[in-house]
Formats: sequence, C-alpha cells, structure tokens
Amino acid sequence: GESVGLHLPTLSVQEGDNSIINCAYSNSASDYFIWYKQESGKGPQFIIDIRSNMDKRQGQRVTVLLNKTVKHLSLQIAATQPGDSAVYFCAETLSSGGSYIPTFGRGTSLIVHP
Amino acid sequence: DVKVTQSSRYLVKRTGEKVFLECVQDMDHENMFWYRQDPGLGLRLIYFSYDVKMKEKGDIPEGYSVSREKKERFSLILESASTNQTSMYLCASSLHSLGQVEQFFGPGTRLTVL
Repeated sequence: GESVGLHLPTLSVQEGDNSIINCAYSNSASDYFIWYKQESGKGPQFIIDIRSNMDKRQGQRVTVLLNKTVKHLSLQIAATQPGDSAVYFCAETLSSGGSYIPTFGRGTSLIVHP
Repeated sequence: DVKVTQSSRYLVKRTGEKVFLECVQDMDHENMFWYRQDPGLGLRLIYFSYDVKMKEKGDIPEGYSVSREKKERFSLILESASTNQTSMYLCASSLHSLGQVEQFFGPGTRLTVL
C-alpha cells in the first residue's frame, strides 16, 4: 500500500491473480475518492471513483472498497493482466462550489509477471 | 477523443531562464490544473484555475505563476528557473459540475534545469 517516503511501494503479482492496492487517506470530510492509473510515459488516467456515502463500487474488472472508520481505500483488480502494470494513485477530494480539488497519494507500482 | 495537450514532452533550460509550459484542452472544461510529479512524492498541486483569468494557489506555488487568458489554455510560468524545479509537470482539466470528479491529464513535460 501507500506510505510516507521516497521509495514507491511495489506490488508484484502473477498474470491471472487478483491484485489489491491499498491507500490510507487523511481527511474524514472528503466526499469522493478516486483511483488513477499511470502507465510509463503517460499522464494518469481515471479508473473509478466512489462517493463517501458508499462502501463499495464495481467497474470492469475493478472494485473499490471504502472503509471510513479507518480511513482506508482499496482497489481490487481481478484476473490481473500484463497491461495492468502501472503506477496506481488514490486521491481524496473535497467539493468547492462544484469543483473538486484532489489530494493525491504517493502511488503504488504494480508489476504483473506473465 | 478528448484531449489535453502540452507544448513539449522534454525541455532543458538553464538556471535563471524564464520558462513557459503551455497546456491546451479541447473539452470546454472550466477547471484546469498544474501539478508537478517527483519520484515517490506523487502529484503535488501547483496552481489551478476554475475560470478564465481566475487562479488559485495549490500546495506548492512558490517559484511559479500561471496565466489563463482563454478557457482552453492554461500556462505555467517559471519566472527564474532553478535546479530544484527539475521535474515532470502535468496539466489536467475537469468539468465544473457536481459529481464530476474525473480529471483528464496531458502526457506531461519533463523539465530539466541545468
């Protein structure tokens, strides 16, 4: 999962396994939580979001779980594929008059071995 | 296909030079953002803008300024570049609308200050 420090946490999995990437957030007033995927040489790309009044949301092969009691967020990727290899960022966000200003975590590197 | 473009992928400048990084989006988004990304530190917000000629400081505005003269264009300016501004710079845009949290990112500009 994500942690303080300059070294990027890394998760290594085998192709076909399920991956779980964890994130701790800091602001209990945040109203949305978002996961982004950043492939090498590209900008981050939106994967999925979850509103603070939900505890689970599913997308295509991905599930996000939110535990507000311990301020924890996770991204589950089913049947991980080599194309899922990337850095994954969680972000928490507060609305400000219809604009959302996210605060990003430090990222987790996912490496998928064929 | 929606797009955020940045003027350069790679840029090398000398200490003390004035540097302009340009970002253009074609999605008619109200919000635009500039981040810098450093290894292990995630994305840190420099400035954002929610309307033409409007700007707000982010978490690390020191040494930077911005300009938003047109809705589609958001420029980041380094008045006098320093070596500690060597970094990856990412531009993003988003809709100003409740529930619309997704940011669209450009490919990034890797700036080296010698």
